[in-house]
Formats: sequence, structure tokens, C-alpha cells
Amino acid sequence: GAGVSQSPSNKVTEKGKDVELRCDPISGHTALYWYRQSLGQGLEFLIYFQGNSAPDKSGLPSDRFSAERTGGSVSTLTIQRTQQEDSAVYLCASSSRQPWGGYTFGSGTRLTVV
Amino acid sequence: AQKVTQAQTEISVVEKEDVTLDCVYETRDTTYYLFWYKQPPSGELVFLIRRNSFDEQNEISGRYSWNFQKSTSSFNFTITASQVVDSAVYFCALFGLDNDMRFGAGTRLTVKP
Repeated sequence: GAGVSQSPSNKVTEKGKDVELRCDPISGHTALYWYRQSLGQGLEFLIYFQGNSAPDKSGLPSDRFSAERTGGSVSTLTIQRTQQEDSAVYLCASSSRQPWGGYTFGSGTRLTVV
Repeated sequence: AQKVTQAQTEISVVEKEDVTLDCVYETRDTTYYLFWYKQPPSGELVFLIRRNSFDEQNEISGRYSWNFQKSTSSFNFTITASQVVDSAVYFCALFGLDNDMRFGAGTRLTVKP
């Protein structure tokens, strides 16, 4: 596609439920990144994919968080048993193998856990 | 480990003032890239500039200029004659050999008319 697409744009869920956030990167971009931005905060790195593999999972805040990428394209970030502190905007970015031009970010998914 | 520090949490200026946003980074990599991104109230991150570690030449683009100094590990961003539309959160970021981008905490710039 022309840009990085994330869905849903907004998600309200009850504490304890599981949620799935989707990221559809720019076609041909091999690298895909997930970040989390809490209200008024900076960007917290979560996970990075090169192709379908995730060399760096160090940013995932707990074992309730997992992510996968299939076909070198779409990625899904899953949060199990959501907690209120998971409320944030989840941003996805993609780039070609090296971000010579920088990442292209999606518009994010705003997750609210009530 | 890589780290980016943006010490200024919030800056407020009056339109037409010049403003400099500071960025200090830490890395053990000899090859790395530095970036600035703008996040306007709409929320989407907008790429502004990339600079590689071997190119210390300063860059000017319209009212924007960047000063990269390896000796002080700094990559500061200056907006000349600021405008209300410059109001946003600005992020400095570092990309190194571990293949991920580490962002600073951001500086919220408010330009008042």
C-alpha cells in the first residue's frame, strides 16, 4: 500500500480481555517495528521484525505481549489479559532493510483498557 | 546500549522567535544514524531529517537547521522565526547496528501567536 496501515484506529476493551492490533506495512518494506506511546510520553520500543523473524524482543514489557509477522508483511501485536497500564497508542513503522530515509509510521491504534 | 536524551520536556515561545531543541545521544557503534521526527497534534509521526555518523556537515532546510557535533554527541535542531504551525512534539532518534530506532522522550514545543 501507499502507507503503513494500522487497525483498528481505536479500541476500547475491558480489563482482562485479549486484544489484537494489526499493522500492514508498506509493500516491499522488510523491516517492521512496534512502539508504544503512553499519554504525554515518548516512544517505547517493543519489538522489531526483519522479514518474519524478530531478532529483538527485548522491549516487550511482559509475557502478556506477543507479536508475529507472516509472509514478510502483516504483523499482529497481541496483548493478553489486558491491564489498565496497557492503555496507550501503539505505533507501527516499516522501512526498507536500512532506514536510510527513516521509518514510515502508521497512524497508530489508541487502546483504552477500562 | 543506545540512549537518546532530550532534556527539554516542554518549550514555549512566541511566534517569530528562534528555538533550539537539544538532543544528546550515547552509542558504542561507530556507524549510526540520527533522526528528527515531528508529531503534530494529529498524532502521526513525520520524518524531518536523517544524518549518518560520518557526515558532520550541518544542514539547513528552510527555517529548519540541524547541528551535528560528534565531539559532544549532540544533534540539535533549530527552528528560525517559529510559527504557530510548528507547535508539536519533536523526537530525536538514533539507529545503530542493533537495527532498531531508539527515541528520546520528546520535546513539546508550543508556539504562541
